[in-house]
Order: sequence, then C-alpha cells, then structure tokens
Amino acid sequence: DIQMTQSPSSVSASVGDRVTITCRASPGTSTWLAWYQQKPGKAPKLLIYAASSLESGVPSRFSGSGSGTEFTLTISSLQPEDFATYFCQQANSFPRTFGGGTKVEIK
Amino acid sequence: EGQLLESGGGLVQPGGSLRLSCAASGFTFSRYAMSWVRQAPGKGLEWLSGISGYGDSTYLADSVRGRFTISRDNSKDTLYLQMNGLRGEDTAIYYCAKDRLSRNYPYYFDSWGQGTLVTVSS
Repeated sequence: DIQMTQSPSSVSASVGDRVTITCRASPGTSTWLAWYQQKPGKAPKLLIYAASSLESGVPSRFSGSGSGTEFTLTISSLQPEDFATYFCQQANSFPRTFGGGTKVEIK
Repeated sequence: EGQLLESGGGLVQPGGSLRLSCAASGFTFSRYAMSWVRQAPGKGLEWLSGISGYGDSTYLADSVRGRFTISRDNSKDTLYLQMNGLRGEDTAIYYCAKDRLSRNYPYYFDSWGQGTLVTVSS
C-alpha cells in the first residue's frame, strides 16, 4: 500500500496568513493526488485533483503542487471559512489511501 | 455534480451484518465509478471499496476483504455495501462517493453523501 504522511498534523494561523500543508507518499504516486477539505460534521469536499488542478468552484487562493513523493497544498490568504481539516489522497494504486489530516485552527 | 444519500446504518452486535445503500440522483449513475469511504469517530478517512460504472470490476481494501462486498444496481441508481462479520473497529461514519470523471476506476471523489453511522457494540 502507498503510505501518505501529512505534516503538520495541526497548524494555528490567522486570517490573511499563507498556509502550506505537506503530503509525502511512499512509494511515489506520480501526480495521482487529491486534496480534500472537511468541516466538522460534514463530508469531505474535493479541492484539488491530479496534484495541481483546481476543482470547479473552489477559490483560487487554494493551489496544489508536487509530484512523485512530495506534494503541497497552499492557501494563499486564509479566510474564516477555511478553518477545517485537510486530507490528501493518492489515486495511483489500490487501495486508495488518505493522509492522516491537517487541522487548520484559528490563532 | 450529483447528490448521494446513504441509509442502512445503525447499531449492530459484533459478528452481525448490515447492508448500506446509497441512492444517487442528478447524474447518470452508470457513467461513474463509485466508492465507500469510512471515518471512525475523531479519526481520518479510510477508503474501503470501489466499483466500476457497469459493476464488472470491484476493488477492496485488505481491512475488509472477505467481510464486505460492494455492488450496484444501475436500474435503481443505487450503490450497496454488504457488511458481514462486523467488529468494534468497524464503528464509523460510512460515506459513499462518486468518482470525478472515470467510469472504470475510482480516482478522485467529487460528490459525497452525508454519511451513515454504523456502531458495532454489544
């Protein structure tokens, strides 16, 4: 199985901050990677697919990059509605696997 | 984008069985691969199983292989998960999820249901 490791597990930030979350894949997953946002009591929401493609309707302050074993999700200017937990997911092989999550909290 | 509505969760004793259903609407169901993903209380996401649009190919995580079976009825726009031999560690919210683009394989999940809670306890 491909193991997905996210860091940090949590981050405290203020509105307007730039936030970067890292996901490492072992073994590598080319660009077969997605990012999801999940708010408490809600289902996950797809933000980014194919490592860097922005899902329709997702604000442009979200961006993804990386390939192979290291990927990043960047929120360029954190908004109040962005406080949530973020998960990466590989789509390179079965079983599909998710990272452990990164909780973005209010500073 | 589509809407998904799960049902069938509840309280079940260890060793028991449940069948979850996921009713789809707003998109051509047979055109998309589907998956089941679960989330234990306060934990992360775990992909369990996927199925192709025509139902001719299925994929399973080792943690549920031999106990869970995924299926679909395209005439009813419904996805199923038959769960047997349930254990305490199967306690979770179970989500169904639609693939963003593919009929053959589940890759990225662009629509999710609201989830149904399965609790395994005596």
